[in-house]
Amino acid sequence: QVQLVQSGAEVKKTGDSVKVSCQASPYYFTDYGFTWVRQAPGRGLQWMGWINTHNGNTNYARKLQDRLSLTRDRSTSTLYMELKTLKSDDTAVYYCARGKTSDYDSGAYEVWGQGTMVAVTS
Amino acid sequence: QSALTQPPSASGSPGRSVTISCTGSSSDIGRYNYVSWYQQHPGKAPKLIIYEVTERPSGVSDRFSGSKSGNTASLTVSRLQAEDEADYYCSSYAGSNFYVFGPGTKVTV
Repeated sequence: QVQLVQSGAEVKKTGDSVKVSCQASPYYFTDYGFTWVRQAPGRGLQWMGWINTHNGNTNYARKLQDRLSLTRDRSTSTLYMELKTLKSDDTAVYYCARGKTSDYDSGAYEVWGQGTMVAVTS
Repeated sequence: QSALTQPPSASGSPGRSVTISCTGSSSDIGRYNYVSWYQQHPGKAPKLIIYEVTERPSGVSDRFSGSKSGNTASLTVSRLQAEDEADYYCSSYAGSNFYVFGPGTKVTV
């Protein structure tokens, strides 16, 4: 079944870290690359980064690259997004999404997780 | 990082068409054909409706079509239906292994 299942909502304090998981089907896990996108309340979509599930190579948005880490666990077909030193404007719904190929980020995200709300409070 | 611009809103009557523009620069839309469009209903995850400027994923209605001219990409929704009322986002490859999204357009039917 083609779906991505994300971990539950989180409430964090400024300066904390958060780690969101995204479980995919083991049947296609290494056939595709995965992207993380976030959406602040009432705002638009923001591309965060991409991971190649074969070799773990990553690309990050410049504004986040010092605080963002994308990893994967091939044994459990799970992706992880860790964001450190949280700020109030990191409050958003975080989505994982599957691309069309594992070789590069195609920008075409066909399958999306249900989203994980991360609230950052002071 | 580059920015894409979209009109904040667009509207059309049922059965008519609406076209949404997405304007970038020669560094993103003008240079690459990795332009995608997403539809998002309130409280839902985005849905891919167009990729690589003109391609439609399997299962997406042929009422959705995409095009590009210079630094501007466009999404046309034909034969508007009530369920087309949603937010629409464009995205483009911007080089150096990153993507950028537009701010979104709210379509009212």
